Amino acid sequence: DGGITQSPKYLFRKEGQNVTLSCEQNLNHDAMYWYRQDPGQGLRLIYYSQIVNDFQKGDIAEGYSVSREKKESFPLTVTSAQKNPTAFYLCASSIGPYYEQYFGPGTRLTVT
Amino acid sequence: AQSVTQLGSHVSVSEGALVLLRCNYSSSVPPYLFWYVQYPNQGLQLLLKYTTGATLVKGINGFEAEFKKSETSFHLTKPSAHMSDAAEYFCAVTRAAGNKLTFGGGTRVLVKP
Repeated sequence: DGGITQSPKYLFRKEGQNVTLSCEQNLNHDAMYWYRQDPGQGLRLIYYSQIVNDFQKGDIAEGYSVSREKKESFPLTVTSAQKNPTAFYLCASSIGPYYEQYFGPGTRLTVT
Repeated sequence: AQSVTQLGSHVSVSEGALVLLRCNYSSSVPPYLFWYVQYPNQGLQLLLKYTTGATLVKGINGFEAEFKKSETSFHLTKPSAHMSDAAEYFCAVTRAAGNKLTFGGGTRVLVKP
């Protein structure tokens, strides 16, 4: 079955800790994306990558970091510099930059 | 820059009634347009897309949307609502040679029995 997996589904952390969210795809897509979703605010782009070993900041990159060492993997680290990290995080991938995106099931991060 | 406006953050329909969700976009070049659906605590699922060609696009679950260039709109419709249509719907736009999707704020649909 082809698709995107995100783990874990729910994640709890204490304030001040870095945390890494996993995103893996087996769709052979070149492009991958990370979004943040808050109630009533739609989706906001954090980072995206169009090719291995290359990525660009999205609209709200501050306090986040990513890597793209393998085509199928695009992990997101939420650092302690992110002021309001509690949110629902969605990973997506696409064949290319202006094709439809396919989404993973999301990770709900709660920081207390 | 491109933007997407979804009119109405919440829509309530009766089971069996028409579902109409409005989406207007701004783009300086011909757009690619998408509708996604999101069920609670899940990712987004693609309902349908318009890139080129026929302006009336049919998608999954009985939904369709019509691209109207003169009105810069891409409204989503379904003739008869089902309880399972209760979800949040997102319109999104990109453009050829663009590098990311721009999403609307979403419309949450409530279906009344």
